[in-house]
Amino acid sequence: AQSVTQLDSQVPVFEEAPVELRCNYSSSVSVYLFWYVQYPNQGLQLLLKYLSGSTLVKGINGFEAEFNKSQTSFHLRKPSVHISDTAEYFCAVSRASRGGADGLTFGKGTHLIIQP
Amino acid sequence: EPEVTQTPSHQVTQMGQEVILRCVPISNHLYFYWYRQILGQKVEFLVSFYNNEISEKSEIFDDQFSVERPDGSNFTLKIRSTKLEDSAMYFCASSPGGGQVVQQYFGPGTRLTVT
Repeated sequence: AQSVTQLDSQVPVFEEAPVELRCNYSSSVSVYLFWYVQYPNQGLQLLLKYLSGSTLVKGINGFEAEFNKSQTSFHLRKPSVHISDTAEYFCAVSRASRGGADGLTFGKGTHLIIQP
Repeated sequence: EPEVTQTPSHQVTQMGQEVILRCVPISNHLYFYWYRQILGQKVEFLVSFYNNEISEKSEIFDDQFSVERPDGSNFTLKIRSTKLEDSAMYFCASSPGGGQVVQQYFGPGTRLTVT
């Protein structure tokens, strides 16, 4: 079974400052990794994904994440945040062996709060 | 851009009643999923569906739950004899086949309130 840990339930950041949202995972098999964003009263939108290859992946809205296999981490970063980035961010994994048809295992989410 | 749609946006039901949550996946997608998110908690996988049968299900998806693709466009989740603890946001998702199967597209969710 897989598990995902997002240690920070809430991260307050000033506008235009950089931010890192942490994600660690546990799995006995190879996994695909994802970050989703949930804006208030909306569904989940994919920010970025890691399947294979380069460990640094770039996503939408200026976000990027780095896969670190030895530390089993997939931290999300943005060099300069905007008020519109205020949302809930979820890290998720699925088993690579299932070709992604697996259900996603989510972390508990991190609420990113942008302060003016 | 094509979207996953879900109806209704909010469903209120009494404990013990049956509810059916409806989803229209993105056209030509082959994999379909249901997730739930209890208020303040993480999103949890319920079931995946492919080629008219359940592909995988979680421990949460017990005999109280069932899924169906009654026609070429809808994908439904039925909850029999609802319990208070079934109150949650239910998300439907779909993904295309082939090399793009890994990306799941989520609908806006149905908020189920069991009273």
